[in-house]
Amino acid sequence: DTAVSQTPKYLVTQMGNDKSIKCEQNLGHDTMYWYKQDSKKFLKIMFSYNNKELIINETVPNRFSPKSPDKAHLNLHINSLELGDSAVYFCASSPPTGNGYTFGSGTRLTVV
Amino acid sequence: GEDVEQSLFLSVREGDSSVINCTYTDSSSTYLYWYKQEPGAGLQLLTYIFSNMDMKQDQRLTVLLNKKDKHLSLRIADTQTGDSAIYFCAERGGADGLTFGKGTHLIIQP
Repeated sequence: DTAVSQTPKYLVTQMGNDKSIKCEQNLGHDTMYWYKQDSKKFLKIMFSYNNKELIINETVPNRFSPKSPDKAHLNLHINSLELGDSAVYFCASSPPTGNGYTFGSGTRLTVV
Repeated sequence: GEDVEQSLFLSVREGDSSVINCTYTDSSSTYLYWYKQEPGAGLQLLTYIFSNMDMKQDQRLTVLLNKKDKHLSLRIADTQTGDSAIYFCAERGGADGLTFGKGTHLIIQP
């Protein structure tokens, strides 16, 4: 009955590869997000998405793209992976009001 | 732009109270949050406060909000070793996402 689930939990891959991280929420929330947590534990939003609008943080390289097959899923695709992409990526979802913001358990991506 | 600031480290003795402070810049913030992250784990929502409130108490946790000074604090009473973690302050402003502070590492001394 996990509210926001991400797979895989760990991902180790070589530079230049393309990879995806999947996220699913069963909370019926309208909006989903991707956040990146770097090695210093700093958290930054990458994308905010609902069925009407995609908001992209302008600092995110266009190698990163969110894909939403339906309201309950927001997958993160990363092309041409670089060493600096190594981080923990968190998926989250929220209802229209602010008191139900829920995070997944994170995906630790290591690029070698 | 939105900015959230908090001290990087706080060290307290077991049994004392911990007070973690946070300042933010976005005056349109609607909700303010405290998240806890234990080593190797995800983000656990501890508590949140709506911007029209001054205080919220939940068991050992007390949140104080000074909207005029844009200052938020989290007080943990009777701090235990299990409280050792990184605590993130976050605001939800005009845009939909959360803006996080850099996190405060809470270190518990025996």
